[in-house]
Amino acid sequence: SSELAQDPAVSVALGQTVRITCQGDSLNYASWYQQKPGQAPVLLIYDKNNRPSGIPDRFSGSRSGNTASLTITGTQAEDEADYYCYSRDTTGDHWVFGGGTKLTVL
Amino acid sequence: QLQLQESGPGLVKASETLSLTCTVAGDFITRSDSYWGWIRQPPGKGLEWIGNVYYSGSTSYNPSLKSRVTLSVDTPKNHFSLKLNSVTAADTAVYYCARQGYHDYYDSRGYYSAKWFDTWGQGTLVTVSS
Repeated sequence: SSELAQDPAVSVALGQTVRITCQGDSLNYASWYQQKPGQAPVLLIYDKNNRPSGIPDRFSGSRSGNTASLTITGTQAEDEADYYCYSRDTTGDHWVFGGGTKLTVL
Repeated sequence: QLQLQESGPGLVKASETLSLTCTVAGDFITRSDSYWGWIRQPPGKGLEWIGNVYYSGSTSYNPSLKSRVTLSVDTPKNHFSLKLNSVTAADTAVYYCARQGYHDYYDSRGYYSAKWFDTWGQGTLVTVSS
């Protein structure tokens, strides 16, 4: 089982802001991925809140204590997907993926 | 532009060895800022990191799979490989290869890192039959 806790499901109204959280260690930087059905994951956020080329600026990352967050500002219908974090676990022993959050856009 | 492509059998018999290769195109597997990783996803479930290999051959593995996994790299062929032995139905999954970037830090808090997978293969479904 994953050692990074994510809420299994979150919903958001179209155009609103949503925050997806991931509980890991407090020191290392998490990365965030979006996965749509039948597709490979796509990197959204890495290092100190960096976005790869082509990722819209409505996606942003932050951290508070041992909780990393992915925020989507002005959520679009195409943002409906599964979201995963990747970080060091709370024991600090190894890097793992979170269990994933299914985002529904209402 | 970096591209990764997994290849290997889509069907493996239980107790046998799963073998996959990831071919790297558009860049060299020997780049010093990269690790090369394998991640899998059982049907309907989440992502599971399997392990990483550096071009030098240095490896790191998920502790839950470490006893059954071997990763290797072939620099002349610009590809890296996964072997998972003694497979069971629980190993049925889509297997992805990916490039891992990283950034190491050191400050008053000690050593820490950022790691990320920025380029993924399309994935290949491997089914373990009984």
